[in-house]
Amino acid sequence: EIVLTQSPATLSLSPGERATLSCRASQSVSRYLAWYQQKPGQAPRLLIYDASNRATGIPARFSGSGSGTDFTLTISSLEPEDSAVYYCQQRSNLITFGQGTRLEI
Amino acid sequence: EVQLVESGGGLVQPGRSLRLSCAASAFTFDDYAMHWVRQAPGKGLEWVSGIGWNSGNIGYADSVKGRFTISRDNAKNSLYLQMNSLRAEDTALYYCAKDRFGELLTHFDYWGQGTLVTVSS
Repeated sequence: EIVLTQSPATLSLSPGERATLSCRASQSVSRYLAWYQQKPGQAPRLLIYDASNRATGIPARFSGSGSGTDFTLTISSLEPEDSAVYYCQQRSNLITFGQGTRLEI
Repeated sequence: EVQLVESGGGLVQPGRSLRLSCAASAFTFDDYAMHWVRQAPGKGLEWVSGIGWNSGNIGYADSVKGRFTISRDNAKNSLYLQMNSLRAEDTALYYCAKDRFGELLTHFDYWGQGTLVTVSS
C-alpha cells in the first residue's frame, strides 16, 4: 500500500497570504496525484488532478506541482472561504488518501 | 447537475450485514467508474472500493477485502455496496463518488452527501 504523508498537520495564515501544503508518497506515484478540499459538513471537492490540472470551476489561485514522491498544493492568495481540510490522493496503485492538512484562515 | 444520492445506512450490530445504494442522475452513468469512500467520525477519508464502467475492473481496500462487495446496475443508474461481517471500525459516513474516467480507477469529480453506517451492539 502506498502511504501518503501530508504536512503540516495544521496551517494558520491570514487572508492574502500564500499557503503551501505538502504531500509525500512512500513510493513513486508518477503524476497520479489529486488534491481535495473538504469544508465542515460537506463532501470533498476535487481541486487538482494528475498533479497539476485544475478541476472544472476551480479558481486559478489553486495550483499543484510535483512528481514521483513529492507534491505541493499552493494557494496563491488566501481568502477566508479557503478554510478547510485538504487531502491528497494517489491512483498509482489502487487508491489511498493522505491524512489531511487543516488550513485555518 | 450531477446528483449522487446514497441510502441504506443505519445502526447495525457487529457481525451483521448491510447494503448501501447510490442513485445517480444527470450524467451517462455507464460511461464512468464509480467508488465508495468512507469517513469515520472526526477522521480522514478512506477509499473503500471502486468499479469500472462495465464491472470489469474492481478494486478494494485491504481493510474491507473479502467482506465487502461492490456492484452496479447500469440499467438502473445505481451503485451498490454489500457489507458483510461488519465491525465497529466500519462505522463511518459512506460517500458515493463518480470517477473522471470509465475503466480506470482514478480521481473523484463528484460526490454524494453520504449515508451514515454505525456498527454497535
